[in-house]
Amino acid sequence: EAGVAQSPRYKIIEKRQSVAFWCNPISGHATLYWYQQILGQGPKLLIQFQNNGVVDDSQLPKDRFSAERLKGVDSTLKIQPAKLEDSAVYLCASSLTPSGVYEQYFGPGTRLTVT
Amino acid sequence: LAKTTQPISMDSYEGQEVNITCSHNNIATNDYITWYQQFPSQGPRFIIQGYKTKVTNEVASLFIPADRKSSTLSLPRVSLSDTAVYYCLVGDISDQTGANNLFFGTGTRLTVIP
Repeated sequence: EAGVAQSPRYKIIEKRQSVAFWCNPISGHATLYWYQQILGQGPKLLIQFQNNGVVDDSQLPKDRFSAERLKGVDSTLKIQPAKLEDSAVYLCASSLTPSGVYEQYFGPGTRLTVT
Repeated sequence: LAKTTQPISMDSYEGQEVNITCSHNNIATNDYITWYQQFPSQGPRFIIQGYKTKVTNEVASLFIPADRKSSTLSLPRVSLSDTAVYYCLVGDISDQTGANNLFFGTGTRLTVIP
C-alpha cells in the first residue's frame, strides 16, 4: 500500500514570498490533515478535511495560509506571504475515519525555511 | 480536550525494557489513549491505542490503570533504532468531527545508548 506522498521535500524562500505544498493521501482515506511542526515541538494541526469539506481550521492563520482539497483526494497548502516564523516542517496525514485520534498515516513532510 | 503530561526525555541502554508514562487527569469517558513514534526527519507513526487495562501488539504494550488517569507505554528490549520522540494523545475516537482531538504536545525524547 502506497503511503502519503508530499512534495517538495525541501523549500527555501525569502520572507514575503509565496509557497505551496502538495499532498496525496492514501487511497480511500477520506480524512486529510495538515500539520505544522516547529523544531523541538510536536505537530500542530492547521486544518482537517473530510472529503472536500473543512472539519477544523481553527488554528490556520487565515490571513496568510490557505488550503484546498479538490475532488476529495489531493490537497495543497499555500502560504502567502511567508514570514520568518513560518519556518517549520509541514506534515500531511490521512486516516480512514474522521475521528481525530484514530490511526493517522503521515507523509515525510516538507521542510520550509524562510530567510 | 484532555491535557497530557509526559517526561521531556529518557535514556536507556540497549536491551532494556523502557516504560514511558503519560498523565491525563482530565480524561473523559469516551476518550481513548493513543501513542505515536517519530524519528528525525519523518512524520509520526502510530504505535498503539487503548481504552483500559492492557493492550499489546508486535512492537509495544500499553498499560492503563482502572482510573485511566495515566497510561504507560512499554517497549521491550529496546535497540538503537528505537531512539525517537514518543507522543501520547488522548481523545474521543467516536467523535466524528475529529475537531480538537489532535494535540501532540512535546512528547518524550527517548535515547537508547549502546
